[in-house]
Amino acid sequence: QVQLKQSGPGLVQPSQSLSITCTVSGFSLTSYGVHWVRQSPGKGLEWLGVIWSGGSTDYNAAFISRLSISKDNSKSQVFFKMNSLQANDTAIYYCARNGGTRGGFAYWGQGTLVTVSA
Amino acid sequence: ENVLTQSPAIMSASLGEKVTMSCRASSSVNYMYWYQQKSDASPKLWIYYTSNLAPGVPARFSGSGSGNSYSLTISSMEGEDAATYYCQQFTSSPSTWTFGGGTKLEIK
Repeated sequence: QVQLKQSGPGLVQPSQSLSITCTVSGFSLTSYGVHWVRQSPGKGLEWLGVIWSGGSTDYNAAFISRLSISKDNSKSQVFFKMNSLQANDTAIYYCARNGGTRGGFAYWGQGTLVTVSA
Repeated sequence: ENVLTQSPAIMSASLGEKVTMSCRASSSVNYMYWYQQKSDASPKLWIYYTSNLAPGVPARFSGSGSGNSYSLTISSMEGEDAATYYCQQFTSSPSTWTFGGGTKLEIK
């Protein structure tokens, strides 16, 4: 079945970068796009960006200067990197698979709680 | 940027009660998605293309709307429906996805 498993640090120091890996199974990254979404404590969902099956990317304009998404199709891994983190970047970060014919975000990773603190 | 405004932000319903929540877009959209999220869990795709239920979603749920105004309805509230529901839309050129602020549904 379709699974997305995230791995990454729980604590990041201010001004440092965040790297999270999303390892997928049950589908090929050459067939589906993978999105990244975050949720600040007690707040709603915020779309960050997507890497499409062909490797192109789209980013939320608010993060385009400090966000990078890449992937390794052979390893079924998607890589998320955000630079210059501050306290207000504290959030749960999710990867999610494009829904295919349904659209939307049909499958989600378990989330990575990232705290930005010294 | 197309802003999605959900109302109410918080609501409570009795078991068996009909529930309706709203999502309004600042610019017209072609369709809406809805997600259900329970505490300490990842969101789940609940309704796609405005009115289609995702696999496993009970038939008491329905979605409707067009243009700037969309809604999610539960015909008869059940305990397992207590959750936060988010609407989401897609805009092309450039490709952007936007979520509403959510409606938290509680049991009265």
